[in-house]
Amino acid sequence: KQEVTQIPAALSVPEGENLVLNCSFTDSAIYNLQWFRQDPGKGLTSLLLIQSSQREQTSGRLNASLDKSSGRSTLYIAASQPGDSATYLCAVRDNYGQNFVFGPGTRLSVLP
Amino acid sequence: GAGVSQTPSNKVTEKGKYVELRCDPISGHTALYWYRQSLGQGPEFLIYFQGTGAADDSGLPNDRFFAVRPEGSVSTLKIQRTERGDSAVYLCASSESGTWGETQYFGPGTRLLVL
Repeated sequence: KQEVTQIPAALSVPEGENLVLNCSFTDSAIYNLQWFRQDPGKGLTSLLLIQSSQREQTSGRLNASLDKSSGRSTLYIAASQPGDSATYLCAVRDNYGQNFVFGPGTRLSVLP
Repeated sequence: GAGVSQTPSNKVTEKGKYVELRCDPISGHTALYWYRQSLGQGPEFLIYFQGTGAADDSGLPNDRFFAVRPEGSVSTLKIQRTERGDSAVYLCASSESGTWGETQYFGPGTRLLVL
């Protein structure tokens, strides 16, 4: 059974810092991996989707990498801003089902 | 265009009652998913619809949970004899055709509190 973990569970940084969020998964037979953002009381917003054949995706200040063989992905946020404060969720879709398996999330606070 | 919508946004009920949660997917999306998110956890898969049929209901925790999508658009998640442990945020997502590799678009969720 696929299991997804994320570290750290929570992170607080001053504005302007670059930061890295980590995601690990136990079964490397994944189809794709997606990073989401969740604001308090809101649904999930897709940030980046990486197919299993890709090694990274970039969107603005965000860069996500994927190392399928080691079961890891990282989300890099450059020049963090207070508006980046949210919970960041990593989710993998494996080769056996259509649903995502989510990690517990990293709660990020960017202090002005 | 309109995204995925869910109603109600909040629902408070008493233990033992029956509840229905509604999801309106993005127009034209044939795939629809239900997830449940407990406090401090990531969402957990419940059920996946392709059109009107449940293609995968392996995530439903027990037979008190049931979902329908009779016309292939709106879906209703039904919970019988609610228990306090059912309290969570219920998220709905849709994708265009359900093919591998598609992005799922999530609604804001329904926050269910069972007293």
